[in-house]
Amino acid sequence: NAGVMQNPRHLVRRRGQEARLRCSPMKGHSHVYWYRQLPEEGLKFMVYLQKENIIDESGMPKERFSAEFPKEGPSILRIQQVVRGDSAAYFCASSPRGTATEAFFGQGTRLTVV
Amino acid sequence: KNEVEQSPQNLTAQEGEFITINCSYSVGISALHWLQQHPGGGIVSLFMLSSGKKKHGRLIATINIQEKHSSLHITASHPRDSAVYICAVGLQTSGSRLTFGEGTQLTVNP
Repeated sequence: NAGVMQNPRHLVRRRGQEARLRCSPMKGHSHVYWYRQLPEEGLKFMVYLQKENIIDESGMPKERFSAEFPKEGPSILRIQQVVRGDSAAYFCASSPRGTATEAFFGQGTRLTVV
Repeated sequence: KNEVEQSPQNLTAQEGEFITINCSYSVGISALHWLQQHPGGGIVSLFMLSSGKKKHGRLIATINIQEKHSSLHITASHPRDSAVYICAVGLQTSGSRLTFGEGTQLTVNP
């Protein structure tokens, strides 16, 4: 049973480009959480999704950021028109139920905006 | 004031020392995680606690629900224990997401 898979592990984008981060949850897990870790800062919640539904997006920046978790395929965190301040590590976690404390984390995607 | 406070922020120890990292939280929780993050690495869940005490190898985690406090102990510390240790809670007021402490940077010198 593979763990939570995130790809790419490292992503470099120029300012203004789009970044797409993918998260494949553990088998049997239908709940996905995205967290962001800015340089020298702690982890912060971004969004919680269940298959085909956004349950809680209260941590998402209002503009340029979106997330989806389709019926088939991985969850995608999409950042449009990236800026330097988007440079961070983005972690995905999945859980079998809607209980964040039972979640398993992926290795993260480190986004660098140049 | 953060809802989850960790102390100390930085900790340096000699190999073999007993280490304690503390976590306090200000509201009711459903459960608490201790996480480990190596530099540039992913996040590994060490323990999930809702009461009492858990032990895994040289790691021990305790939680006191009444005092809203948890501790992570490392016995016979080793340089490979050097990492950031993060306390994360599922707050009763925040639905089903985690709220994190700022982390404790542990360095164990040989």
